[in-house]
Amino acid sequence: EIVMTQSPATLSVSPGERATLSCRASQSVSSNLAWYQQKPGQAPRLLIYGASTRATGIPARFSGSGSGTEFTLTISSLQSEDFAVYYCQQYNNWPTTFGQGTKVEIK
Amino acid sequence: QVQLVESGGGVVQPGGSLRLSCAASGFTFSSYGMHWVRQAPGKGLEWVAFIRYDGSNKYYADSVKGRFTISRDNSKNTLYLQMNSLRAEDTAVYYCAKGRLGYCSGGSCYVFDYWGQGTLVTVSS
Repeated sequence: EIVMTQSPATLSVSPGERATLSCRASQSVSSNLAWYQQKPGQAPRLLIYGASTRATGIPARFSGSGSGTEFTLTISSLQSEDFAVYYCQQYNNWPTTFGQGTKVEIK
Repeated sequence: QVQLVESGGGVVQPGGSLRLSCAASGFTFSSYGMHWVRQAPGKGLEWVAFIRYDGSNKYYADSVKGRFTISRDNSKNTLYLQMNSLRAEDTAVYYCAKGRLGYCSGGSCYVFDYWGQGTLVTVSS
């Protein structure tokens, strides 16, 4: 099973600033990597798939990059609605596995 | 718009059974693979089970294999999860999720583009 490790566990950012979240896979997952956002009490929402393709309706301030074992989610200018927990997920190998999450909180 | 509405959660004793349902609308249910994903209280996400669009193949996480059964009724646009021999570690919010691609294969089946609001299952004596 592929282990996904996200860093940092918590990221404190001021509104309007850039946030950079990292996700590392224990072995190559090619570009088969997705990112999800989850707010308290809500279901996760798909942000990015294929490492860099934004899902339908996702604002352009969200961008994904990377391949192989190292991936990054960047939020270019944090809005109040972006404070949440973010999960990466690999779907290259069965079973699909998620990272433990990065919480983006208001600084 | 796509809607997924789970039901059937509740409190059950260890060793007991529960059946979850997920009513789908807003898309052609019979064309998409469907999943169950769970989240223990305060924890991360864990994929549980997948069923292909026509029910022909089913896949399970090792943690639930032999105890849980995923099924679907395309005439009712409904997904199910039969959970038997429940354990305390099965306590979680259970989400149904739609696969992004219709008639998918391999890893592409495992991108979840819509999720229900979740139903809480608590296993406790």
